[in-house]
Amino acid sequence: EVQLLESGGGLVQPGGSLRLSCAASGFIFSSYAMNWVRQAPGKGLEWVSGIRTSDGTTYYADSVKGRFTISRDNSKNTLYLQMNSLRVEDTAVYYCAKSYNDIWSRTDYWGQGTLVTVSS
Amino acid sequence: DIVMTQSRDSLAVSLGERATINCKSSQSILKSSNNRNYLAWYQQKAGQPPKLLIYWASTRESGVPDRFSGSGSETDFTLTISSLQAEDVAVYYCQQHYSIPQTFGQGTKLEIK
Repeated sequence: EVQLLESGGGLVQPGGSLRLSCAASGFIFSSYAMNWVRQAPGKGLEWVSGIRTSDGTTYYADSVKGRFTISRDNSKNTLYLQMNSLRVEDTAVYYCAKSYNDIWSRTDYWGQGTLVTVSS
Repeated sequence: DIVMTQSRDSLAVSLGERATINCKSSQSILKSSNNRNYLAWYQQKAGQPPKLLIYWASTRESGVPDRFSGSGSETDFTLTISSLQAEDVAVYYCQQHYSIPQTFGQGTKLEIK
């Protein structure tokens, strides 16, 4: 059974940093692209970042480019999102999401999400 | 970026009746090399993460009831629930994964009339 377990969310002041983690199990983590998708309170879904498995290429939404960094540790089956220079508008539930195969494929599994609140 | 627009923000349908949710992309998401539409539909119930329902615009994910179906091509897509059940109350999102950034429609909230 595929499981994705996010952690690391919490309350942070504007300008601060936070690192999210996603522990994956139930599939061969190193074989699949992975993503972070967020959802602001009461709002829709926004793809934030993705990372391929073949060459580790990373992709970002314009809204987070230069501030967020996605990475993966295939030896630990873990996906990360380093978030710097956080803004109030980054407040959201952050979901770890597995791609069906490469980055240009549907998202077939989602974690339960971790809440990030940016507020003074 | 490809903009995904769902025609309605909310929809109320009676139990047992048909529900139709429309989604339009700002450019074609049909890849000519494999003749696939890079369009997926997700269901999100309150307090839960999204769940994949339909991929390639019309292929049902394993375990999804057959009352859910998808149709359309290139820029215009539809999710149909043939006979609405109480457990179908949710927000439904379309998503294109043809290009990065992947983008979602704004969501359609489906309720019981």
